[in-house]
Amino acid sequence: KAGVTQTPRYLIKTRGQQVTLSCSPISGHRSVSWYQQTPGQGLQFLFEYFSETQRNKGNFPGRFSGRQFSNSRSEMNVSTLELGDSALYLCASSGRVGTGELFFGEGSRLTVL
Amino acid sequence: AQRVTQPEKLLSVFKGAPVELKCNYSYSGSPELFWYVQYSRQRLQLLLRHISRESIKGFTADLNKGETSFHLKKPFAQEEDSAMYYCARLGPGPHNFGNEKLTFGTGTRLTIIP
Repeated sequence: KAGVTQTPRYLIKTRGQQVTLSCSPISGHRSVSWYQQTPGQGLQFLFEYFSETQRNKGNFPGRFSGRQFSNSRSEMNVSTLELGDSALYLCASSGRVGTGELFFGEGSRLTVL
Repeated sequence: AQRVTQPEKLLSVFKGAPVELKCNYSYSGSPELFWYVQYSRQRLQLLLRHISRESIKGFTADLNKGETSFHLKKPFAQEEDSAMYYCARLGPGPHNFGNEKLTFGTGTRLTIIP
């Protein structure tokens, strides 16, 4: 099985712009989660989707949003980018709900200038 | 709020020596705890779950509810164990079923000295 795929792998934006990141889960996995990883804060949960529904949301401002499509692919969007949004954004999928067994992608590294 | 604490940011151990990576969690009922590992230039991956009570790559972790700890141990360190290790717990979330939110500790970078 192909692993979790995230695109783009690297991107550079300027303050005030918006960005959309994409995630394709492992085939058959219906749960997709997003995490932000920074040197200062570590791994922080953004949100989780299952069957196109957001089931859980972390403590991030409304500028951070996401969605899941019927094929389980997911996107997250960050609007009005700030310097502090520079981070590695990790997507993870799960095939067995409620187990905490997540399969992570390689991440999308966002740099905000 | 749920918290997972890994007190050591860095840990260096000689090859063949025992390894213990510490993890403490904030008390809340019956936690589900995990260790995730990230080897150099690889993805973050699940190492083991406390509920499985299994040994993976020689590592074990015992849940101690009295001390609210879930330390990761290995009796004899190997060079390939060098990696970043994260302790994590499941939840909380608004749904009792199927919640996939993980709260991670800040991680411990383990270096095995040859």
